[in-house]
Amino acid sequence: GEDVEQSLFLSVREGDSSVINCTYTDSSSTYLYWYKQEPGAGLQLLTYIFSNMDMKQDQRLTVLLNKKDKHLSLRIADTQTGDSAIYFCAGNNAGNMLTFGGGTRLMVKP
Amino acid sequence: DTGVSQNPRHKITKRGQNVTFRCDPISEHNRLYWYRQTLGQGPEFLTYFQNEAQLEKSRLLSDRFSAERPKGSFSTLEIQRTEQGDSAMYLCASAPTQPGELFFGEGSRLTVL
Repeated sequence: GEDVEQSLFLSVREGDSSVINCTYTDSSSTYLYWYKQEPGAGLQLLTYIFSNMDMKQDQRLTVLLNKKDKHLSLRIADTQTGDSAIYFCAGNNAGNMLTFGGGTRLMVKP
Repeated sequence: DTGVSQNPRHKITKRGQNVTFRCDPISEHNRLYWYRQTLGQGPEFLTYFQNEAQLEKSRLLSDRFSAERPKGSFSTLEIQRTEQGDSAMYLCASAPTQPGELFFGEGSRLTVL
């Protein structure tokens, strides 16, 4: 089955850019996702990218996909304290069942 | 509110009791998924439905776990004879048929004493 890996922790200063990285193993994933989870809450879909795209930009969020290296990243521009949360990447398979990474905890310091 | 709705939000039970969680998906979505999330981990896929058909259930954690979606609308996840290791957040998600957006509910947190 698919394996999705993320670094555990990232700390940035308010106003800086954050880059959260993810690697996956299943090259047949057609969609790759980024979700945000705040304490005690469910998962909020931030953005997703189709596997034939290299980049997707949505306001402060930029997703980069390197399909050859099976590497996905999420860049958050002008990071705010409200961006502090756990960020999960995920890849899909047949039936759109998602396999999630373990999450990256983003801490934004004022 | 037109999002995915889960009830109850929190359930505390004693070991050996049965519990049932309900999920109401976004109304036009015909795919419904159940995931489990333990502390400090990413969500783990359990099962999914397309309309009323359960298309994948091999990942249900044991035969104590079962899920239904009798009319292709809401779904229930039942855990029989709960164990302390079942304590987790149970998340429901829904999606339209074509791949793409998949939306999660707020989850139902189970605590087994």
